[in-house]
Amino acid sequence: EDQVTQSPEALRLQEGESSSLNCSYTVSGLRGLFWYRQDPGKGPEFLFTLYSAGEEKEKERLKATLTKKESFLHITAPKPEDSATYLCAVLSGNTGKLIFGQGTTLQVKP
Amino acid sequence: GAVVSQHPSRVICKSGTSVKIECRSLDFQATTMFWYRQFPKKSLMLMATSNEGSKATYEQGVEKDKFLINHASLTLSTLTVTSAHPEDSSFYICSAREQFGEKLFFGSGTQLSVL
Repeated sequence: EDQVTQSPEALRLQEGESSSLNCSYTVSGLRGLFWYRQDPGKGPEFLFTLYSAGEEKEKERLKATLTKKESFLHITAPKPEDSATYLCAVLSGNTGKLIFGQGTTLQVKP
Repeated sequence: GAVVSQHPSRVICKSGTSVKIECRSLDFQATTMFWYRQFPKKSLMLMATSNEGSKATYEQGVEKDKFLINHASLTLSTLTVTSAHPEDSSFYICSAREQFGEKLFFGSGTQLSVL
């Protein structure tokens, strides 16, 4: 069964304190792993797509990496405006469906 | 990036009424659109997949007669919650896939409150 598990569920950081969010997955025929940012009351905002193990992508303070079993979203020197829920999702090659994890809610305090 | 417009952003209705939510891809054609439901502090739950010009495919446990989906054009899909009840109160989000890509772009969501 296709499944996505994110950890931790919630994370509190001080401004400038770097950390990583984890996304573990099992999927039949990975067509892509996606990271999204979601602010309260808003739809998810696309961040990254990763397609194969070893791939890395960066955007400002965020860096996403992928292995055969998990993905990490590294946040370097976060700022309060990085506070949001970060969602990981995998696109199943067998079903064509995008399956989401439960998200990690990040709070960055000044 | 591509833009998906969802309207309305918030709706309050009385129990028993029907509510229509629109989802438009503004700058690209979307042969496939998806409808999700999200409960507070929970992840997105796929309700149905909508393909332009054909009937929607519903996920197990989703009542197709309650949640009517129409995808009449390459840029518009609608979700109608029929005879809404308080338990239908939720955050509904649509998304659209690029015609020749894997990325999904999301609307801003609709908060439905049924009194």
